[in-house]
Amino acid sequence: GESVGLHLPTLSVQEGDNSIINCAYSNSASDYFIWYKQESGKGPQFIIDIRSNMDKRQGQRVTVLLNKTVKHLSLQIAATQPGDSAVYFCAEDASSSNTGKLIFGQGTTLQVKP
Amino acid sequence: DAGVTQSPTHLIKTRGQQVTLRCSPKSGHDTVSWYQQALGQGPQFIFQYYEEEERQRGNFPDRFSGHQFPNYSSELNVNALLLGDSALYLCASNLGMTGGYEQYFGPGTRLTVT
Repeated sequence: GESVGLHLPTLSVQEGDNSIINCAYSNSASDYFIWYKQESGKGPQFIIDIRSNMDKRQGQRVTVLLNKTVKHLSLQIAATQPGDSAVYFCAEDASSSNTGKLIFGQGTTLQVKP
Repeated sequence: DAGVTQSPTHLIKTRGQQVTLRCSPKSGHDTVSWYQQALGQGPQFIFQYYEEEERQRGNFPDRFSGHQFPNYSSELNVNALLLGDSALYLCASNLGMTGGYEQYFGPGTRLTVT
């Protein structure tokens, strides 16, 4: 069946360091993946996405890497800041034509130490 | 530019009752998806509405139903509430049936069933 899972439930990093959050997915037919950030009391906030025809995509301070061979997704955050503290979810579009039926992982809590 | 809004913010209901949650999509969006997020878990897809019809559905019982209005706003109805329905209910919107990416989420409605 379809599932998206996170390797670690909590990640603690020092302010200014780089953070790497990992995610494994099981549906090799998935074509579209997204990372969301969720702060306490708020809805998920879109960070970055990637299609299966790419293996890397960069945004502002964030990079997403996709390894289709081992069905692995990662989110890299450069120069982590206290404002980056949140729960991070990877999500997979489970629909056949990327129509937005998202399957979310459990989430990784990122704690940034000052 | 108004983002996704949801009402009410919090709601307390008793087992067996019925509840209606409301969502207004981001300006310019025509597709609304609903998710259930239990405490400490990732969001789970309930269903999606486009052109006033349910287009996709997740693994939720028929007690969960919805509606989309001509102005693209949407309602989620849950009948015969169970304790296990206690969760944060999230609404997300995007543009068009192929705009699965960049779903914008609202802040959610926290439902407590006692």
